[in-house]
Amino acid sequence: GAVVSQHPSWVICKSGTSVKIECRSLDFQATTMFWYRQFPKQSLMLMATSNEGSKATYEQGVEKDKFLINHASLTLSTLTVTSAHPEDSSFYICSGRGAGDRNYEQYFGPGTRLTVT
Amino acid sequence: GEDVEQSLFLSVREGDSSVINCTYTDSSSTYLYWYKQEPGAGLQLLTYIFSNMDMKQDQRLTVLLNKKDKHLSLRIADTQTGDSAIYFCAESTGGRRALTFGSGTRLQVQP
Repeated sequence: GAVVSQHPSWVICKSGTSVKIECRSLDFQATTMFWYRQFPKQSLMLMATSNEGSKATYEQGVEKDKFLINHASLTLSTLTVTSAHPEDSSFYICSGRGAGDRNYEQYFGPGTRLTVT
Repeated sequence: GEDVEQSLFLSVREGDSSVINCTYTDSSSTYLYWYKQEPGAGLQLLTYIFSNMDMKQDQRLTVLLNKKDKHLSLRIADTQTGDSAIYFCAESTGGRRALTFGSGTRLQVQP
């Protein structure tokens, strides 16, 4: 399967600061990337859909000014958590959708664990 | 909206078969997936099935789909301790292709 990387894998930040998480598709071009959030012992919840070169589409209840998404190229999408608070502590996972006749396949990154103190 | 449900826990002995069940509500679901998540890790795509299929087999994995009952199952033959993980069922519909996940089933394999 295709490979998606995330960086960093784990970050601790102070309340009020901003954190950027990178998601890269290493061996395929992802015109669409998705950002999910997973709280402990819970399922993944979609936060936003990111299309290369256009604005992200956010799910209801997700603040677009707090979770800034940039999808500048076919292999890179970034999520910036601005003015982070302890309740933003979570496991953030991105995925890239395959292209062409494999666009039903979605490959997930290893996740980024964010802890806000 | 879409809803996907799974049982929370399954315990089996090593060498036995495991069957993890999933139900979904959206009759227009096009693709159904099974992902595996090990502790502290991301999701690994195990297999998927199109809604026009009834069954798909891939080595030790067998997926059964009952579209009438909106029921999906994953059978793992000869379950090993390395199969211990959380298994997520997910579905997607139409062009958007974002996935809706179930709550995950924790599979515990006892030696």
